[in-house]
Amino acid sequence: QITLKESGPTLVKPTQTLTLTCTFSGFSLSTSGVGVGWIRQPPGKALEWLALIYWNDDKRYSPSLKSRLTITKDTSKNQVVLTMTNMDPVDTATYYCAHVEPAGTPNFDYWGQGTLVTVSS
Amino acid sequence: SYELTQPPSVSVSPGQTARITCSGDALPKQYAYWYQQKPGQAPVLVIYKDSERPSGIPERFSGSSSGTTVTLTISGVQAEDEADYYCQSADSSGTYLVFGGGTKLTVL
Repeated sequence: QITLKESGPTLVKPTQTLTLTCTFSGFSLSTSGVGVGWIRQPPGKALEWLALIYWNDDKRYSPSLKSRLTITKDTSKNQVVLTMTNMDPVDTATYYCAHVEPAGTPNFDYWGQGTLVTVSS
Repeated sequence: SYELTQPPSVSVSPGQTARITCSGDALPKQYAYWYQQKPGQAPVLVIYKDSERPSGIPERFSGSSSGTTVTLTISGVQAEDEADYYCQSADSSGTYLVFGGGTKLTVL
């Protein structure tokens, strides 16, 4: 059974750096083809893909946010960490991590519950 | 940047068929995926690889593809199907992922 859970601060100040951790179980990030991605959703708005990391440390970032994002993995801890620099109120959103299904076009077959991050002074 | 286009809203009466479209230039090269999201919940994958249905998803959910458009069809819509639906795919190289803007399905 695959499960994922996001953790991190619920409130950050403008210009600060956000660090979110995805802790998962039921799969290993050392298995060929497997990945973990991050997606966010501002209140009342659409889903937006942010980044993903594969078992072989291949990393992909949204072109519009690439300069602000870093994704890393700790295979031994079953964790993936996303950092986003220079946070702004427009970055207020629910942030999800999800398991990337290993075949075909990258997609998300299992999702965490999400964590709401508010950016405010 | 690459975009997927969905209608903002679709309304149907119970028992009718709902069709939600998603258009994108790279869809002939990349699979499309559909997610259902109910208020306050995480998205759930309902269709993968254009037309495949994950286990546990009702048979009334189906998907199809034609050229640069993919379609999610819900036959015999039920009240519980009222939700936001998002398509997702990738650019032609498969490097960058993208979600459509979402379609709110209202069951009248």
